[in-house]
Amino acid sequence: AQKVTQAQTEISVVEKEDVTLDCVYETRDTTYYLFWYKQPPSGELVFLIRRNSFDEQNEISGRYSWNFQKSTSSFNFTITASQVVDSAVYFCALSEAFNSNSGYALNFGKGTSLLVTP
Amino acid sequence: SAVISQKPSRDICQRGTSLTIQCQVDSQVTMMFWYRQQPGQSLTLIATANQGSEATYESGFVIDKFPISRPNLTFSTLTVSNMSPEDSSIYLCSVDRDTESYGYTFGSGTRLTVV
Repeated sequence: AQKVTQAQTEISVVEKEDVTLDCVYETRDTTYYLFWYKQPPSGELVFLIRRNSFDEQNEISGRYSWNFQKSTSSFNFTITASQVVDSAVYFCALSEAFNSNSGYALNFGKGTSLLVTP
Repeated sequence: SAVISQKPSRDICQRGTSLTIQCQVDSQVTMMFWYRQQPGQSLTLIATANQGSEATYESGFVIDKFPISRPNLTFSTLTVSNMSPEDSSIYLCSVDRDTESYGYTFGSGTRLTVV
């Protein structure tokens, strides 16, 4: 079963618009971690944020903000005043409680491709 | 945070041949992970590599096809064996959670094309 769902496959916005990327997760663990990664066209994965299941405080980092709501199992990502350089694929990922076989391996969503046009 | 050097960055290979991908980490890490990203798709975990033990493979991946070595705490290799065009993907290695940044660090990836 898909543990991380990113329902938006592609989003296109004009520069300076705000955009929210949705992420819904599924887990039975009480301790887990949620992540967002950015993958620009060059292909590397850039770590953006980690959130643990006990910290529901929203976080803001510059133009980026994250809204974590356990009640709805969501961890949404908002880019304010988007820029062309924000164009990339964004992945939400879940790491569950320690598994002796796979450790804290990440379960990735399918990703949302964001295109910001001038 | 850890820095990972992954080689090669890209390769074009003939079907039926094998390619070994290397990941070198600048610090000792307990676990290393190998992921595959097929074109336009998400990342899928291939296996987890612990130093000194056999790698643990996820469903759909087998050791004969993707043998992994983990000779020490800073190095691992993934071999893609008997390649077919379906193996054309980006392969990435990753290390377990960095206690400073709390994020997983990924190698820059190996873009493999099988012809």
